[in-house]
Amino acid sequence: DTAVSQTPKYLVTQMGNDKSIKCEQNLGHDTMYWYKQDSKKFLKIMFSYNNKELIINETVPNRFSPKSPDKAHLNLHINSLELGDSAVYFCASSQDGWAGELFFGEGSRLTVL
Amino acid sequence: KQEVTQIPAALSVPEGENLVLNCSFTDSAIYNLQWFRQDPGKGLTSLLLIQSSQREQTSGRLNASLDKSSGRSTLYIAASQPGDSATYLCAVRSGNTPLVFGKGTRLSVIA
Repeated sequence: DTAVSQTPKYLVTQMGNDKSIKCEQNLGHDTMYWYKQDSKKFLKIMFSYNNKELIINETVPNRFSPKSPDKAHLNLHINSLELGDSAVYFCASSQDGWAGELFFGEGSRLTVL
Repeated sequence: KQEVTQIPAALSVPEGENLVLNCSFTDSAIYNLQWFRQDPGKGLTSLLLIQSSQREQTSGRLNASLDKSSGRSTLYIAASQPGDSATYLCAVRSGNTPLVFGKGTRLSVIA
C-alpha cells in the first residue's frame, strides 16, 4: 500500500487551462503539505494543512488553491496555468504537526505548453 | 529566515569508499533535521530524522550527526555501493516554518 499517493503522475496541458492534482495519505497523519520542485531541483513549500485547516500559505499566486476535504486528502487546484507553473509538485504528510517525520508522494510532473 | 546549504553539490566516488555529505543551516534554533534520498524522476525517501535534542541517528550503513551550535549536520555513508547513487537532500524544521530544504548533493558511486 502506497503511503502518500498522488494523481496524476504526469500532466501536460495548454496555457490558460485549469487543472487539479490529487493527494491521499493512508498513514493517519494530521498534517499535509504541497511542495514545488523547480527545474533546478530546488524544493519549496507552498502550503501546509493541519487537520483540514490551512497553516502555511507561502508566497504563491492565488491561482493555486489547496482544498482539504478531510484529514487524509489535500488536493491542489491551479487556474489559468502559465508556462512558469511547469514543475514537479510533491505532496507530503507528517504526524504531530511539524515535529514529525515527513513522508513524500512520488510527485506529479506538470508541463504547461 | 532559515537557509540550508549543502556541500558539495556533486560527488563521485569509487565503490566501497566511505563518504561524508555536509549540510549547514543559518538558524540554530531548530526542531529537527531530516535527510532524504531522491532518485531521478522519483519522490523523496526519508533516511534519517534527528530531533534537536539528539546528536546522531543511525540506520544501517548511514549515520547522521547534528551539531546545533555550529549549525551543521553530516551524513556518513559507509562502504558505498552503486545503489547509493542518488541526490541526498537535507531539510531543517525551525520556528513556525515547515521543512526548508537544501539544494542537495548528487552522489555517483562508480562500480
